[in-house]
Amino acid sequence: SQTIHQWPATLVQPVGSPLSLECTVEGTSNPNLYWYRQAAGRGLQLLFYSVGIGQISSEVPQNLSASRPQDRQFILSSKKLLLSDSGFYLCAWSRQGASPLHFGNGTRLTVT
Amino acid sequence: AQSVTQPDIHITVSEGASLELRCNYSYGATPYLFWYVQSPGQGLQLLLKYFSGDTLVQGIKGFEAEFKRSQSSFNLRKPSVHWSDAAEYFCAVGPSGGSYIPTFGRGTSLIVHP
Repeated sequence: SQTIHQWPATLVQPVGSPLSLECTVEGTSNPNLYWYRQAAGRGLQLLFYSVGIGQISSEVPQNLSASRPQDRQFILSSKKLLLSDSGFYLCAWSRQGASPLHFGNGTRLTVT
Repeated sequence: AQSVTQPDIHITVSEGASLELRCNYSYGATPYLFWYVQSPGQGLQLLLKYFSGDTLVQGIKGFEAEFKRSQSSFNLRKPSVHWSDAAEYFCAVGPSGGSYIPTFGRGTSLIVHP
C-alpha cells in the first residue's frame, strides 16, 4: 500500500531563518505531488505541484520554493521566513489522471 | 474554470441526528467529485469519490453522497452523527483531463452537540 510521510510535525522558526519541509511517498511511482498551505480558519491554498522529477509549477508568488530531487520526494523551502509564512503545510500525492489526493499529516509552522 | 461552493461555513447538529453537508460545483464536463474530512491538526482523509455510474456513492465511516447533475450538487449525508464526526469537511472537484489541480471548497466545520 501507499504511504506518505511528512516531517517535521511541528516547527517554530524565527523570522529570517531558512525553512526545509520534506515529504516522501512510498509504494507508488511517478506520482503527482502537491504542497498546500492552510491558514487558521481558512481553506486550502495550493502552493506548488509537480508532475515529475524537476518539474515544479508555482501557483502563488511568494518567498517559498519547491524542489523534487527524486521521484517520490518533494521539498518545500524558504531562504528567509516571514511572519506571514506561519500556517499548516500539507503535502499530498495522487496518481496520474483522474485520481483523489492523499494527504500527509501536515506540518504546523510558527514563525516568531 | 471549475469551482466548488460549500455554502455553510459551520453546521451544528446533535449527536444521533442526521447530517447533510452541501456542495455545489461548476464544471464544463462530467466532474470527478470528492469529499474529504480533516480532524483538528491532521491531514485530509478521503471519505468518498464519484467518477461515474451510480449517483449514490458510499464512503467510509458511514457517509454517503449523491451526485445530482441537474442541480450541480454533490451533498454529503450521514443518517446518525457521532461525536467523533466533529471535523472540517471539504468538497473537491477534479482533477481530470489535462489538469492536475483539484479545486477544493472552503470547507464546512461540523460541530456535534452531545
